[in-house]
Amino acid sequence: SYVVTQPPSVSVAPGQTARITCGGNKFETKTVHWYQQKPGQAPVLVVYDETDRPSGIPERFSGSKSGNTATLTISRVEAGDEADYYCQVFDESSHLYFFGPGTKLTVL
Amino acid sequence: QVQLVQSGTEVKQPGASVKVSCKASGYTFTAYYIDWVRQAPGQGFEWMGWISPKYGGTILAQNFQGRVTMTRDTSINTVYMELTSLRSDDTAVYFCARQDYASGSHMDFWGQGTLVTVSS
Repeated sequence: SYVVTQPPSVSVAPGQTARITCGGNKFETKTVHWYQQKPGQAPVLVVYDETDRPSGIPERFSGSKSGNTATLTISRVEAGDEADYYCQVFDESSHLYFFGPGTKLTVL
Repeated sequence: QVQLVQSGTEVKQPGASVKVSCKASGYTFTAYYIDWVRQAPGQGFEWMGWISPKYGGTILAQNFQGRVTMTRDTSINTVYMELTSLRSDDTAVYFCARQDYASGSHMDFWGQGTLVTVSS
């Protein structure tokens, strides 16, 4: 099975920039999406296709991918950004999905 | 507006089956796939598979092949996920999500989740 890695936690002060990474093998044939989940709620898509942002998601949320690492960047972090963030990897050849273990973002 | 409304909480005994429904509204039902994803208590997400509401075809994750069946009823814009031979480690919140396969592979709208508890 395909393994996706994420750091368990990231902490950042309000107004600073948070970067959450997502790693896996052969990322060049994979597509990465990012979801935010707050306690007791369903996930919300915040970045798709590595860099695109759905309507309604603040410009503070951005994504990138280089080599075997994708990164979700949250600029000017606010208290309301505190949540779990999951990367999702789509394998275009098999049409299968794999989730990372999630990263808990703490706003200090 | 796009909505996915799931059926309510289920409590099942080990060995039983559960069937969770996901009713779609606010968009053309057959134009998007529906995925099922589960989340055990305090854990991350596990993708289970997806179904094409238009054709009924499915793709299942290896872990669920043989135990999961996904079906749809286009007359009422509803997708179903049935999980058989339930075990205690199937206790989880089960989510359906709309997959925008035409423009990518992301899941842009999610149901509210259905808690399934497996306990004797």
